[in-house]
Amino acid sequence: AQSVTQLDSQVPVFEEAPVELRCNYSSSVSVYLFWYVQYPNQGLQLLLKYLSGSTLVESINGFEAEFNKSQTSFHLRKPSVHISDTAEYFCAVIGGGTYKYIFGTGTRLKVLA
Amino acid sequence: GAGVSQTPSNKVTEKGKYVELRCDPISGHTALYWYRQSLGQGPEFLIYFQGTGAADDSGLPNDRFFAVRPEGSVSTLKIQRTERGDSAVYLCASSPGLAGDTQYFGPGTRLTVL
Repeated sequence: AQSVTQLDSQVPVFEEAPVELRCNYSSSVSVYLFWYVQYPNQGLQLLLKYLSGSTLVESINGFEAEFNKSQTSFHLRKPSVHISDTAEYFCAVIGGGTYKYIFGTGTRLKVLA
Repeated sequence: GAGVSQTPSNKVTEKGKYVELRCDPISGHTALYWYRQSLGQGPEFLIYFQGTGAADDSGLPNDRFFAVRPEGSVSTLKIQRTERGDSAVYLCASSPGLAGDTQYFGPGTRLTVL
C-alpha cells in the first residue's frame, strides 16, 4: 500500500526567500506523484505532477519538484516566494495500477512580508 | 467552462439522521472521486467511479456510507445513521478518466453532525 509523509505541518518564510516543502512516499510499485495547492477560501487545484520521463517537473508559477526514486521523495521548491504563494500544499501519490489517490496531511506555507 | 459543483455547501444534521451530498462533475469526465477531509488532515479517499460503476470503494469507512452514479454523471454520497465522527468536509473531484489525469476538485460540502 502507498503512503505519503509531509513532515512539516507549517512553514513560515519571508517574501523573496527560497522554500522547500518536503514529501516522502512509500510504495513497492511505480508511482505517479502530484502536488496540489489550496489557496485561502478556494478548492484544491493541481500545481504539478510527475508521471514519467524527466524527473524534474515545473509549474507555471515558478514551483518545481524533483522525483527521486532512490530517496522516495518528491520535494517541492521555489527559489523566491511571493505573498500570493501563501496556501496549503498537499502531496499525493497513486500507483500499482490503482486510481486510489493517497494524500499527505498537508504543509501550510505562510509567506511573510 | 463550468467546474465541479457540490451541493449543499453546508449541511448541519442531527446524530442518527440520513444525509445526501451531491456532486456535479465536469461534463465529459468519466472518472469521479469522493474524499473526506477532516481538520488538519489531507483528503482521505472514499470511492472512485469510472462511468456508472464504483471501480474502487475500499475507502468507504463502513456500510453506513454508500455512493451512486446512475447515469455516469452526477453522483450522490449517502450517509445513513450519521455519527458525530462523520463531521468533515466532503470533497468531490472529476477527471477525464486515465490514471495520472489531473483531478478537478469541487468546493466541498461541510457536514456537521450535532
